[in-house]
Amino acid sequence: AAGVIQSPRHLIKEKRETATLKCYPIPRHDTVYWYQQGPGQDPQFLISFYEKMQSDKGSIPDRFSAQQFSDYHSELNMSSLELGDSALYFCASSLVFTGELFFGEGSRLTVL
Amino acid sequence: AQSVAQPEDQVNVAEGNPLTVKCTYSVSGNPYLFWYVQYPNRGLQFLLKYITGDNLVKGSYGFEAEFNKSQTSFHLKKPSALVSDSALYFCAVIMNTGFQKLVFGTGTRLLVSP
Repeated sequence: AAGVIQSPRHLIKEKRETATLKCYPIPRHDTVYWYQQGPGQDPQFLISFYEKMQSDKGSIPDRFSAQQFSDYHSELNMSSLELGDSALYFCASSLVFTGELFFGEGSRLTVL
Repeated sequence: AQSVAQPEDQVNVAEGNPLTVKCTYSVSGNPYLFWYVQYPNRGLQFLLKYITGDNLVKGSYGFEAEFNKSQTSFHLKKPSALVSDSALYFCAVIMNTGFQKLVFGTGTRLLVSP
């Protein structure tokens, strides 16, 4: 069965640079979520989209933005990167009323 | 606000022994509770969920969880642990703010020794 696809899997950036992460949800899923997991931390909710509209917002820094496109893929854009942005970034998708999220393998961002 | 707590950072158990990973919840209304497992450098995998119905929920890989309303708990259990069960386990609750999002506990590392 198709799963959530995230790219790139690994990304290394310098401080103050910009990074873009991509997420391709499971076909026919209508909701996409972004989570950030720091080293040894639990995943923290960043933002979600339902049918291409932002549906909820969590602890996402102002330097970050995200959107969902017409083909339902989503991108997380991170600017002015800081060392503390180094983390695993997970995308998940779901059918909004089932309550079960399917996670991608994550994108590991390292900021040097 | 909805939240879950995992009181143990790590649980150690010998292979073949039963295991329990604890989770307590604090929610208003009916809780929607989940368990996810994370292997090193991997994404989170869904194990099981409680929405309504039977208090004992069976999930993937032989895991089960018991919903206990009086104790506000949703402990994860398995009758016989395997070394391959060693991973990070997260309890989670739905924040039903119109559009659902998961809020995770702090995670419990399960270490199963041979």
